[in-house]
Amino acid sequence: DAKTTQPPSMDCAEGRAANLPCNHSTISGNEYVYWYRQIHSQGPQYIIHGLKNNETNEMASLIITEDRKSSTLILPHATLRDTAVYYCIVRVDLSNFGNEKLTFGTGTRLTIIP
Amino acid sequence: DAGVIQSPRHEVTEMGQEVTLRCKPISGHDYLFWYRQTMMRGLELLIYFNNNVPIDDSGMPEDRFSAKMPNASFSTLKIQPSEPRDSAVYFCASTQTSGRPYNEQFFGPGTRLTVL
Repeated sequence: DAKTTQPPSMDCAEGRAANLPCNHSTISGNEYVYWYRQIHSQGPQYIIHGLKNNETNEMASLIITEDRKSSTLILPHATLRDTAVYYCIVRVDLSNFGNEKLTFGTGTRLTIIP
Repeated sequence: DAGVIQSPRHEVTEMGQEVTLRCKPISGHDYLFWYRQTMMRGLELLIYFNNNVPIDDSGMPEDRFSAKMPNASFSTLKIQPSEPRDSAVYFCASTQTSGRPYNEQFFGPGTRLTVL
């Protein structure tokens, strides 16, 4: 699976949009970008994933560049509860078979400032 | 569903003792994962099962660690004998792949293990 690079920490004001970048310059054509977050003392939680199109769900939006070498997770209106470590993971998606492993890096520690 | 259930939530033991961590995955999920998290090494995958069969145990640190999944609703991670460097938070996660285009892993609350 491709390696990802994320800033170690970021701050964002409450109510503003939090934009978390991730570089994955060695991503392959069949690799997806996943985002998970880990709130203090809890297990990681899935946020969103995408292949090449932008994606949006009730939690966040995922913007993937056209060359797929980087992506941005957007939390549109950050709240204090969004303070967490955010992990960007790139992996091959083989659906019903094959490698189901997720490899977590060091992530970005996002702090929402009141 | 109650989500992934882990027990105990906290375990304090002395070096040399046997430790058993337990996990109940979400009903219907066909994959189960055991992770370990420490400040130094982050979140590491130890082993995972598919339909109760171990698929990849390359992350298991040494022979002191063993994991079993006797049925679809229960798994254990055993450390014997335990050492202080085993102190960590151990997470169990599960996912369902049948009919899904992607895997979203659901994590339990973790077991915080302290080995004195």
